Amino acid sequence: AQKITQTQPGMFVQEKEAVTLDCTYDTSDPSYGLFWYKQPSSGEMIFLIYQGSYDQQNATEGRYSLNFQKARKSANLVISASQLGDSAMYFCAMREKNTDKLIFGTGTRLQVFP
Amino acid sequence: DVKVTQSSRYLVKRTGEKVFLECVQDMDHENMFWYRQDPGLGLRLIYFSYDVKMKEKGDIPEGYSVSREKKERFSLILESASTNQTSMYLCASRLGTGILNTEAFFGQGTRLTVV
Repeated sequence: AQKITQTQPGMFVQEKEAVTLDCTYDTSDPSYGLFWYKQPSSGEMIFLIYQGSYDQQNATEGRYSLNFQKARKSANLVISASQLGDSAMYFCAMREKNTDKLIFGTGTRLQVFP
Repeated sequence: DVKVTQSSRYLVKRTGEKVFLECVQDMDHENMFWYRQDPGLGLRLIYFSYDVKMKEKGDIPEGYSVSREKKERFSLILESASTNQTSMYLCASRLGTGILNTEAFFGQGTRLTVV
């Protein structure tokens, strides 16, 4: 069955430092996509980055990069040079090609301190 | 600009009432989703729809039903509201069945309180 696991309920990082948010997944579909979303205290869901199961390279978008380890079924989000505005909930999500379901993990609350 | 609009930001209903949560998207997206978000549990999928009149149960469909008569509108129905359905409800839409890399767009959420 399709499943996303985020084992870090909360993380702290100092401004300008890098931080890694963990995500592991489980699926029997060889074709899938992985997404990360940010949810600030305002509640909106903001799409950050996407990684496809057949992508050869790790995805990057500005300060966000995805450490994709297919054999370990992990897709960790790396935020470089953290900013105070990065304080938010972060959700990992997966979509399987053969079901089209989009499921989410339980999220990680990141707090960036000066 | 893409837009997913949920009909209410805040809603208070009584136990046993029938509750309708409406979601409209203006992007001609095939796929639409309803989630509930609770602290420590993340977003849990209630129902989703591939296209008009097509629906699939998610992980927690009990106590809910959905309707999709038109492509742009996806309604979540609580047949008989109970206090354990007090939650934040998020609607999302996405382009394309079977296309993996399209992101989902979310509404602003409806915070439902059942008293």
